[in-house]
Amino acid sequence: AQSVTQLDSHVSVSEGTPVLLRCNYSSSYSPSLFWYVQHPNKGLQLLLKYTSAATLVKGINGFEAEFKKSETSFHLTKPSAHMSDAAEYFCVVRPNTGGFKTIFGAGTRLFVKA
Amino acid sequence: DAGVIQSPRHEVTEMGQEVTLRCKPISGHDYLFWYRQTMMRGLELLIYFNNNVPIDDSGMPEDRFSAKMPNASFSTLKIQPSEPRDSAVYFCASSLPGIDEQFFGPGTRLTVL
Repeated sequence: AQSVTQLDSHVSVSEGTPVLLRCNYSSSYSPSLFWYVQHPNKGLQLLLKYTSAATLVKGINGFEAEFKKSETSFHLTKPSAHMSDAAEYFCVVRPNTGGFKTIFGAGTRLFVKA
Repeated sequence: DAGVIQSPRHEVTEMGQEVTLRCKPISGHDYLFWYRQTMMRGLELLIYFNNNVPIDDSGMPEDRFSAKMPNASFSTLKIQPSEPRDSAVYFCASSLPGIDEQFFGPGTRLTVL
């Protein structure tokens, strides 16, 4: 069975401090993993993706994520938060069994304080 | 390109009425996805199409929901009859073949009274 767990429903950081959004997955097959961001009243936008190449993946807006197979984790980080980073973030898993069935995490809402 | 276009952006209807949501994917994208987002259940994949053919509709909640893609540039999601528990934001997304990134539309916020 495939699943994805985002460990925090809310994360609050101060502007300029590091961001860590945690994600664990479960997949019977070698998965593709993604992080999407959703700003208020907008659709989702891809931040980055892991598809069995380099385990450290760099995305847009200074975000990066590291795939750790031993820990079944794919945590999202950013060295320094900006006010514009305030949004909801979704970790997504897609088992590589063919097809496009994707499983979304419940989301983590990031708050950034001035 | 204008991106994925969805209409209407907001829909308020009464229980029992038919609701039709519309989506225009990005030109050239062969895959089209319909998602539903609620506070309780998060984001769920309802159905997806490849080259206008439904590939996986296992996420469609029940027979009241139906989706069609009559051509490469248009898809509909219909709910008949609608119920209050169908209230949600419905997203359409599209992607190119062999490309992992899905491009999402702005969503349709549906409220069923």
